[in-house]
Amino acid sequence: EIVLTQSPGTLSLSPGERATLSCRASQSINSRYLAWYQQKPGQAPRLLIYGASSRATGIPDRFSGSGSGTDFTLTISTLEPEDFAVYYCQQYNTSPITFGQGTRLEIK
Amino acid sequence: EVQLVESGGGLVQPGRSLRLSCTASGFTFGDYAMSWFRQAPGKGLEWVGFIRSKPYGGTPEYAASVKGRFSISRDDSKSITYLEMNSLKTEDTAVFFCTRASSYNGYDSSSYWGQGTLVTVSS
Repeated sequence: EIVLTQSPGTLSLSPGERATLSCRASQSINSRYLAWYQQKPGQAPRLLIYGASSRATGIPDRFSGSGSGTDFTLTISTLEPEDFAVYYCQQYNTSPITFGQGTRLEIK
Repeated sequence: EVQLVESGGGLVQPGRSLRLSCTASGFTFGDYAMSWFRQAPGKGLEWVGFIRSKPYGGTPEYAASVKGRFSISRDDSKSITYLEMNSLKTEDTAVFFCTRASSYNGYDSSSYWGQGTLVTVSS
């Protein structure tokens, strides 16, 4: 099983700042099979990034993904108030499909 | 507009069964794999399983934690996918989400999610 470890667990920033979220895999992943999701309280997750760096439909360009192998990053260039949420990375390279434990992005 | 609506959740006793349904609209249902995920209260996301589209075998795959107890099926004529859950345990308590994969293969990101349905396993 591929274990995904996200860091930090909680990130406290202010609107307008830049956010950098990390996802590290226990073994190498084909970057085609790495996604990022955003989840707000009481809501279903929303796909942000697939294939490590491709934005999903309707996702603002302040969200970007990068990385390869075992290290992947989600960057939010300029935080908007609606961006404060929990973010999960997901690998769908091999079974079982797994998620990181999440990074909570909170308002400082 | 793509819509996924789960139903069938509720309170069930340990050891009993429950069937969840996910009714889809807004896309050609038969072209896509359909997946189920769950989220225990206050916890992260967990993959439950998926079923491939029929042209690609229509076969399911499951997480180890549910294999042998849960079963995923699909009725393309009704645009519904089902999650049959047997021998339920208290640790199965979660919000269950139905999702549409981005392709015929379940090993894919989930472009669309339902709102989720809560399953509570308790005596």
